[in-house]
Amino acid sequence: DAKTTQPPSMDCAEGRAANLPCNHSTISGNEYVYWYRQIHSQGPQYIIHGLKNNETNEMASLIITEDRKSSTLILPHATLRDTAVYYCIVGGGNNDMRFGAGTRLTVKP
Amino acid sequence: SAVISQKPSRDICQRGTSLTIQCQVDSQVTMMFWYRQQPGQSLTLIATANQGSEATYESGFVIDKFPISRPNLTFSTLTVSNMSPEDSSIYLCSVRSGTGVLAKNIQYFGAGTRLSVL
Repeated sequence: DAKTTQPPSMDCAEGRAANLPCNHSTISGNEYVYWYRQIHSQGPQYIIHGLKNNETNEMASLIITEDRKSSTLILPHATLRDTAVYYCIVGGGNNDMRFGAGTRLTVKP
Repeated sequence: SAVISQKPSRDICQRGTSLTIQCQVDSQVTMMFWYRQQPGQSLTLIATANQGSEATYESGFVIDKFPISRPNLTFSTLTVSNMSPEDSSIYLCSVRSGTGVLAKNIQYFGAGTRLSVL
């Protein structure tokens, strides 16, 4: 069973920041938060992951609350090519990735 | 990141036949996984392919239906046996490595094999 809860869909205007929330209230101390996205007809693409601290890379920023029970993926300047299903996953170590339903993000012109 | 090649990329098969899907990685990896994605659904883990031993299957998946091989650290196959239309899905190979050029604890995915069973 997926350990995360995400809204099923979100819209974002092109050029604006997309903020995708994820609830993972049962996360354990050694589990990471991972974000992937799947653009239509492609395999999931890794975006970012973190344990406790906020993380940033060339694709996105990850904000994890202090109690680690929720996080937000931020795409700072969404483009039409960011339209995809975004998956928030908790796990790591020797654990495999278990996917929930994800959030379908639609970036609109 | 890893370069993962899956073959075939797509296929149309007849009911009752079997299809073997190949997954080749460009570097040695410790973990290889197989997932299924049914139309309009999320990904479901089928099994973990273990090098040198039998695969570890998730609940609802059995070896007779989805035999898996993993002869070395860069290659695995998944066979979908005695296919029915309900097996029409995308099958994805995924890898993770604890050492080497791949970042630890990040799984990488192939593009998938789109299977249609008539």
